[in-house]
Amino acid sequence: AQKVTQAQTEISVVEKEDVTLDCVYETRDTTYYLFWYKQPPSGELVFLIRRNSFDEQNEISGRYSWNFQKSTSSFNFTITASQVVDSAVYFCALSESSARQLTFGSGTQLTVLP
Amino acid sequence: GAGVSQTPSNKVTEKGKYVELRCDPISGHTALYWYRQSLGQGPEFLIYFQGTGAADDSGLPNDRFFAVRPEGSVSTLKIQRTERGDSAVYLCASSWDRGQPQHFGDGTRLSIL
Repeated sequence: AQKVTQAQTEISVVEKEDVTLDCVYETRDTTYYLFWYKQPPSGELVFLIRRNSFDEQNEISGRYSWNFQKSTSSFNFTITASQVVDSAVYFCALSESSARQLTFGSGTQLTVLP
Repeated sequence: GAGVSQTPSNKVTEKGKYVELRCDPISGHTALYWYRQSLGQGPEFLIYFQGTGAADDSGLPNDRFFAVRPEGSVSTLKIQRTERGDSAVYLCASSWDRGQPQHFGDGTRLSIL
């Protein structure tokens, strides 16, 4: 069975600090997809990134970067120079090739203080 | 707009009543998903449609829950004999195909009194 663990329930940082959100996953499939979503206070889930299990290259998009390590089953998300607008709940999710649905972690509430 | 549309945005009803929640996916997306999100938790899968058929309904909690997608576009989630434990935000998502990013609607906040 697939499982996603986000051990950090809440993180609070001061604006301009860097912050890393951890995600550890479990799956028996060799082909799977990993995702990060952002859920701001307004409630909508916003897609940030998708990574497939065969692509371990790290990715950077502006202030966001993702570190995928199959050896430790982790897919961590770093925000550089955080801003108040980054305050939200961030979810890591997994989709196995044998199933279509997403399995979400419990989320990390990030608060960026001015 | 081109996003996933869900109606109503809020629904308050009494225990035992029947409710219908509607989802209009992104045009051209063949895959449609329903999730339920309780306070402080991540969304939990309910049911997945590929086209008109329910390809996986393993997440539906019991037989009070049912969903349809008769023409392969709009979907309706139906809950009979509602219970207070059904209170949650019901999210709909759509995507081009499996493994592709799922795009979510704003959800329907269901409150059972």
